[in-house]
Amino acid sequence: AQKITQTQPGMFVQEKEAVTLDCTYDTSDQSYGLFWYKQPSSGEMIFLIYQGSYDEQNATEGRYSLNFQKARKSANLVISASQLGDSAMYFCAMRDSDNYGQNFVFGPGTRLSVLP
Amino acid sequence: EPEVTQTPSHQVTQMGQEVILRCVPISNHLYFYWYRQILGQKVEFLVSFYNNEISEKSEIFDDQFSVERPDGSNFTLKIRSTKLEDSAMYFCASREGGLLSNQPQHFGDGTRLSIL
Repeated sequence: AQKITQTQPGMFVQEKEAVTLDCTYDTSDQSYGLFWYKQPSSGEMIFLIYQGSYDEQNATEGRYSLNFQKARKSANLVISASQLGDSAMYFCAMRDSDNYGQNFVFGPGTRLSVLP
Repeated sequence: EPEVTQTPSHQVTQMGQEVILRCVPISNHLYFYWYRQILGQKVEFLVSFYNNEISEKSEIFDDQFSVERPDGSNFTLKIRSTKLEDSAMYFCASREGGLLSNQPQHFGDGTRLSIL
């Protein structure tokens, strides 16, 4: 079963606008973590932001914030004031207690293109 | 800031040959991982390693794959007899923290493996 769903294969946003990238997940655990990574065209994986299942506040990190809705099992990434350098693939990932929570399960990714 | 380093950045190998991908995790990290990403697809977990042994592996990690931490710093992935479908980007990652830590995994820049 798909544990992480990212329904938007591609998104476009105008420079300086905000954009929301969707992520829904499936787990029966009470304790889990959600992570977002950015992958530019150069290929590296860059950690952006983390949200814990017990965190009461939505995570924020600079221009990145998470819209975490636990009951709906969604953890959408919001990028404010988009910049051309934000153009990249964005992956949502989850760690839960399956197999002692050692690995991440990644979603299929969303390709974000920022338009000048 | 400390980072995970991977060598080589690109490896071209004839089908059937053995290949070793090398990684130097962040020095105080305890958990190590290999992932792969076939071109245009999502990141897939291969194996996790802790306390000098494999702690978890996926169905992809069959008998042709092995991992080793030969000294205190290197973490290697060996593919014994490469196949065309092994062509992918291979990422090494590491993290600090305990068994169910919510620490992010820090990724290297990847090794692009091309099998001819």
